[in-house]
Amino acid sequence: SAVISQKPSRDICQRGTSLTIQCQVDSQVTMMFWYRQQPGQSLTLIATANQGSEATYESGFVIDKFPISRPNLTFSTLTVSNMSPEDSSIYLCSDGDRDYGYTFGSGTRLTVV
Amino acid sequence: QKEVEQDPGPLSVPEGAIVSLNCTYSNSAFQYFMWYRQYSRKGPELLMYTYSSGNKEDGRFTAQVDKSSKYISLFIRDSQPSDSATYLCAMSGYSNYQLIWGAGTKLIIKP
Repeated sequence: SAVISQKPSRDICQRGTSLTIQCQVDSQVTMMFWYRQQPGQSLTLIATANQGSEATYESGFVIDKFPISRPNLTFSTLTVSNMSPEDSSIYLCSDGDRDYGYTFGSGTRLTVV
Repeated sequence: QKEVEQDPGPLSVPEGAIVSLNCTYSNSAFQYFMWYRQYSRKGPELLMYTYSSGNKEDGRFTAQVDKSSKYISLFIRDSQPSDSATYLCAMSGYSNYQLIWGAGTKLIIKP
């Protein structure tokens, strides 16, 4: 199965600023997913990112707020834009590997002050 | 009704006990079933991955899928305090790669 390196692991950001989260996969994967996880809760899918096409966003998430890039089959970024305290959460990326099961990055713990 | 139901716990058991964690689901199209372990402030770690029905064993862990009952289980033998974590089930259909998640069960193993 793949290994996914995610950074930063944590950050404290000012209201109104933006943060870009990066995920690097050690093998080529067609599909990647971005999630948000509130403390004590399960995962909420933000969007699906395929290389060479626009990301597909879930209800309640929009591209202007969470722009995603997928420049190649091993890399993706999620930007959290114009942040507010309500964006404080853990952000996670995963691959969509049906052969071995989906692997996750270690997560980014974001606090907006 | 949620597509995947999982008791959030907490489930507290003594060290050495056999732990049984379960999820039920309503969508008969689900074919891929996964169990993840998540420690506090960490990303989910894939424990078991099963396609369609049947059992799968890996060390102290056994995953079972009963598609006729729409019920999946994860068994942990000889439980250790280090197994204390939240366990999440997730599943998807053949044509849709998105995972549908359970709420996660918080497991506490008492020394």
